[in-house]
Amino acid sequence: GAGVSQSPSNKVTEKGKDVELRCDPISGHTALYWYRQSLGQGLEFLIYFQGNSAPDKSGLPSDRFSAERTGGSVSTLTIQRTQQEDSAVYLCASSHRDRGGYEQYFGPGTRLTVT
Amino acid sequence: GEDVEQSLFLSVREGDSSVINCTYTDSSSTYLYWYKQEPGAGLQLLTYIFSNMDMKQDQRLTVLLNKKDKHLSLRIADTQTGDSAIYFCAESFPGTYKYIFGTGTRLKVLA
Repeated sequence: GAGVSQSPSNKVTEKGKDVELRCDPISGHTALYWYRQSLGQGLEFLIYFQGNSAPDKSGLPSDRFSAERTGGSVSTLTIQRTQQEDSAVYLCASSHRDRGGYEQYFGPGTRLTVT
Repeated sequence: GEDVEQSLFLSVREGDSSVINCTYTDSSSTYLYWYKQEPGAGLQLLTYIFSNMDMKQDQRLTVLLNKKDKHLSLRIADTQTGDSAIYFCAESFPGTYKYIFGTGTRLKVLA
């Protein structure tokens, strides 16, 4: 079956512009995660959605970052007024459970470059 | 707070064994994981171990967990060039969604 897909695969944007990154999770997965991967920094948790519950946004680095998940499926991560330090690979993952102990399935990521 | 640390690089010769190490600070985790990331791809789960286990073997992979020292390791036997990738350890916690990932170890296998 189809895995987690993300688009675009690469995005180059000018400092100050807004960007939207999209994630299509595996059908039926109730949990969806966004992570940021910077060089040598590992995976930084950004936000988590579980079903219709309010998302946990505690990992978002600033109020320029926001995310939504429509209809319990597709998710969009929006970064407003991008800065050079936002350059990173943004990874989305989905899981069929909302508690630790279950495999996360990752998409290939969106590489964001802010010039 | 939680912290998961790994060495950044490891280089081995093809056919040798590789040992990738991970240390963590929060001992309340229920599961510990090893993920593999190949170039340009997302992470893929390799194996995991429940926190009340000491060892798990899965074909060429052996996971060792030392709870006293809060140390997790992944041994890859007969390492192949296809094993070249970044390896992440991670832990998850009871009753929550939370996963904490390490910084990743880049394994380079020399032919």
